[in-house]
Parts: sequence; C-alpha cells; structure tokens
Amino acid sequence: GEDVEQSLFLSVREGDSSVINCTYTDSSSTYLYWYKQEPGAGLQLLTYIFSNMDMKQDQRLTVLLNKKDKHLSLRIADTQTGDSAIYFCAESKGGKLIFGQGTELSVKP
Amino acid sequence: GAGVSQSPSNKVTEKGKDVELRCDPISGHTALYWYRQSLGQGLEFLIYFQGNSAPDKSGLPSDRFSAERTGGSVSTLTIQRTQQEDSAVYLCATRGVNPEAFFGQGTRLTVV
Repeated sequence: GEDVEQSLFLSVREGDSSVINCTYTDSSSTYLYWYKQEPGAGLQLLTYIFSNMDMKQDQRLTVLLNKKDKHLSLRIADTQTGDSAIYFCAESKGGKLIFGQGTELSVKP
Repeated sequence: GAGVSQSPSNKVTEKGKDVELRCDPISGHTALYWYRQSLGQGLEFLIYFQGNSAPDKSGLPSDRFSAERTGGSVSTLTIQRTQQEDSAVYLCATRGVNPEAFFGQGTRLTVV
C-alpha cells in the first residue's frame, strides 16, 4: 500500500499491556519511529529503531520490527492512565518522515 | 536553542489574507520538516529541507503554499489567499546527524 497504516483505537485496562501495531510501506526505510501526542500538545518522540534490528527495549516500551512483513509494534507494559494519548508510527523514506494516522489509546482505571 | 520553536502559537486570519508561520530549529539541525495536522487527523507531509539541497516540496497541497529556509536555519511557511480548509495545526520538526526528529508545539491556524 501507499500509506503507513495503524488501527485507529485501542482500549485497555490500567496495569495491562498495550500493543499498538503499524504497517509501513518501504522495505528500504532506515529508521522507524514511535511518537506520542497528548491532547492539545505537540508530538513527543518515544523511541526509534534501526531497520537492521528486530527489537528494542526502553523501560516499559518494547519495539518489535518484522522487516519481512513491514510490521512494527509498540508494546507498553503496565499501562497507566497517563499513557492515554495518540500514538503515531513513522518511517524514514528518502529522508522524509511519513506518518500513520495514529492510534488513540484509552486506558481505563 | 533548547527545542524547536514555532511562532505564533495561534493565528486567526480572515479568508483571503496571507499568513507566515515561523520555525526556529534546534541549533545545528540540518533537516527541517513541515507537516499539517487537521482536527482529529494524522500528519500530512508538506515540505522537507536537508542542508543546502533542493527542498522536497512534494507534499505542498497547492501553489498557495510555499516555504523557505534562510541560511539553513529559520524556516517560514507562507500560505497565500488563505481558505477555510487551510485551518489546521502546522507542525515543524528538525533533525540533526542522529535519527531523532523533534517537533515544535505547532501553530494553530484558524481561517474565518
């Protein structure tokens, strides 16, 4: 496909793990990113992964990359109400950063 | 500077007027991006500057939109003869030699 694709909504209970999925378009993308956007705020870089890696872990965040399927996921362990936000994945394509539509994560107490 | 700075943070303009939006990058960042985010939507790529190379303007939606980057630093996005559909948040991001790209807080443009 032409676009970076994400499911639009995810709802989890506080304390559960959240998994946000993304399908990107270009197998030659060098870096893939996850950003977080809270209401009324700008985009905050959470993490990124180099395309020759399969996994990257940073505290509660785990990024998995399946280059063959062009699939990226972000796992948030022990999800908290403060994690409620929109999460965007992005691929670096010819220097440009191309974003998905964002996944709205809702964390219920 | 400490972060990417955009100004103004809010702009209300009348339909048909021209507007200029400014982005001050993190010092030393050679790559600069402009995006548009309409209400409840994702990020629409507009334009990308990398050093002294010709910018990638492939995302500009019409010839009313233009951008420049003077001296490889500050960038200005200009929208001429604004229309109501131009109302959105305009976001700027910059990147240096490392992969991390950082965003400013955006300019919320409202065309009335």
